[in-house]
Amino acid sequence: KAGVTQTPRYLIKTRGQQVTLSCSPISGHRSVSWYQQTPGQGLQFLFEYFSETQRNKGNFPGRFSGRQFSNSRSEMNVSTLELGDSALYLCASSDDNEQFFGPGTRLTVL
Amino acid sequence: DQQVKQNSPSLSVQEGRISILNCDYTNSMFDYFLWYKKYPAEGPTFLISISSIKDKNEDGRFTVFLNKSAKHLSLHIVPSQPGDSAVYFCAASRSNFNKFYFGSGTKLNVKP
Repeated sequence: KAGVTQTPRYLIKTRGQQVTLSCSPISGHRSVSWYQQTPGQGLQFLFEYFSETQRNKGNFPGRFSGRQFSNSRSEMNVSTLELGDSALYLCASSDDNEQFFGPGTRLTVL
Repeated sequence: DQQVKQNSPSLSVQEGRISILNCDYTNSMFDYFLWYKKYPAEGPTFLISISSIKDKNEDGRFTVFLNKSAKHLSLHIVPSQPGDSAVYFCAASRSNFNKFYFGSGTKLNVKP
């Protein structure tokens, strides 16, 4: 089975721009979660999608949004980027038994 | 609001000795706990888990201990190997499998 894939792996944007990150879960997994990892903060939960519906949500501002498609692929969008949004964004797919993480997208906001 | 804390950002251990990584949590509703290992440029990989009905779970060289009254869990690695050098994250959830709260990680360095 192929693992969780995330594209792009690296991204550089400037303040005020918006960005879309993509995650393809493991085949058969219907749940995709997104996390932000910053130094000293660990991984912080953004949201989880299950069967195209947002099932759980973390404490991030509305600039962070996501969606899931019928093939379980998920996208995460961040609008009006701020310097503090620079982080590694990880997605994890799950079959409700275990979470498998992708390699992440490293976003740098200049 | 950091509900899961790993107070040691780094730990250095000699090969063959025991590594003990600690994690504290504040939410008494958490009932499922996991440890993940993360190498640079890779996503975290699942290591071991424990539910709140147990106080110990063992898998090979890895053992997780849970002290519910102290809201504390620890990961023991015995014997430690250089390949164990990585960042270790603990995570907790509240009967809601797919919403996890993670600690900030502990970087383990196992010296040959």
